[in-house]
Amino acid sequence: DTGVSQDPRHKITKRGQNVTFRCDPISEHNRLYWYRQTLGQGPEFLTYFQNEAQLEKSRLLSDRFSAERPKGSFSTLEIQRTEQGDSAMYLCASSLVGEEAFFGQGTRLTVV
Amino acid sequence: AQRVTQPEKLLSVFKGAPVELKCNYSYSGSPELFWYVQYSRQRLQLLLRHISRESIKGFTADLNKGETSFHLKKPFAQEEDSAMYYCALSGRDDKIIFGKGTRLHILP
Repeated sequence: DTGVSQDPRHKITKRGQNVTFRCDPISEHNRLYWYRQTLGQGPEFLTYFQNEAQLEKSRLLSDRFSAERPKGSFSTLEIQRTEQGDSAMYLCASSLVGEEAFFGQGTRLTVV
Repeated sequence: AQRVTQPEKLLSVFKGAPVELKCNYSYSGSPELFWYVQYSRQRLQLLLRHISRESIKGFTADLNKGETSFHLKKPFAQEEDSAMYYCALSGRDDKIIFGKGTRLHILP
């Protein structure tokens, strides 16, 4: 286990298409976080999980965004009907409760 | 509401000079504070957290509850310190909220 991995690293999609990103956390970590980062900004919280339970989804997130962690291991983040404003780096992190969060390298989404 | 404010987008410091990256927070309770760092082309990683009270790579940060601050300091800057630095807060719910970051540029 070499850390948090995200797939794909880059995604270019046409406006209106759906995209799905995958995050594989460190295997024993029960917390999993999704963030969005645009140029010049810090990571913006999207949602997080305790095992398979989604604890909170940011109020800033539209209904086009959904995340799952079906077996409490990997997670997926889906964006439906993508818009140009969705272009960003999507970061995943995992941790044990109350411990350091480890980040993946991110998925860079470009909506054209 | 949880909020982290980093007032400086860019800080340029000469090599060997002291560094202070400012961070203020808003939280009704006792938060846990962190500094994360992102070096060029690397992933975001933890630099230090206030409960450990460690010095990492010469950096320290003290939590000041009266001023709701968690400034990051280093007495003598090194060129390899050039990076993006993010202050972050975690509350009772363990949700981690980040500031917008400060780019530290060490001048030769």
